[in-house]
Amino acid sequence: AQKITQTQPGMFVQEKEAVTLDCTYDTSDQSYGLFWYKQPSSGEMIFLIYQGSYDEQNATEGRYSLNFQKARKSANLVISASQLGDSAMYFCAMREVKSGNTPLVFGKGTRLSVIA
Amino acid sequence: DAGVTQSPTHLIKTRGQQVTLRCSPKSGHDTVSWYQQALGQGPQFIFQYYEEEERQRGNFPDRFSGHQFPNYSSELNVNALLLGDSALYLCASSPRTGLDSGNTIYFGEGSWLTVV
Repeated sequence: AQKITQTQPGMFVQEKEAVTLDCTYDTSDQSYGLFWYKQPSSGEMIFLIYQGSYDEQNATEGRYSLNFQKARKSANLVISASQLGDSAMYFCAMREVKSGNTPLVFGKGTRLSVIA
Repeated sequence: DAGVTQSPTHLIKTRGQQVTLRCSPKSGHDTVSWYQQALGQGPQFIFQYYEEEERQRGNFPDRFSGHQFPNYSSELNVNALLLGDSALYLCASSPRTGLDSGNTIYFGEGSWLTVV
């Protein structure tokens, strides 16, 4: 079974500063994908960044980067130059990679508040 | 290009009633998954539909059922509603491919269900 752990219920960051949101995972799968989503109060899950288990380089998407440490089973999200609009819930998720579509397993999330 | 659309956005039901939620996937997507997100939790996988059949199911009772139509749209039905069914119900669509890349899963804004 897969499990995602996000140990930070809430985080505060000053505008323009960088912040790291922690995510650890547990799986017996050899091939898997790790995701980060942003959920504003409207409810929609907005895809931010993806890391495949066999990707050797850490994923980056604009101000988002994923610090992937496979041996430690961690996939932390780093947001650089925080903006007020980054205030939201952030979810780490994973799924097994195989043919077809496997379901996503989510953590409990971290609420990020950006302070002006 | 319309993304994933869900209806209704908000609804209130009484214990014991039945509810139907609807989802239209993103254009070009043929697989629909449903998730339940209780307050303060991450989304939990309910089930997935492809080619009008339920393909995978999470740990949810038979009161939760679904349907997929030839145009790939989907319905989630919940019978005999309980107070604990109050949650945000998210629909996600994706193409049925053997490849995995993070940005192929798209979520709708969800349907907020309150059971009183």
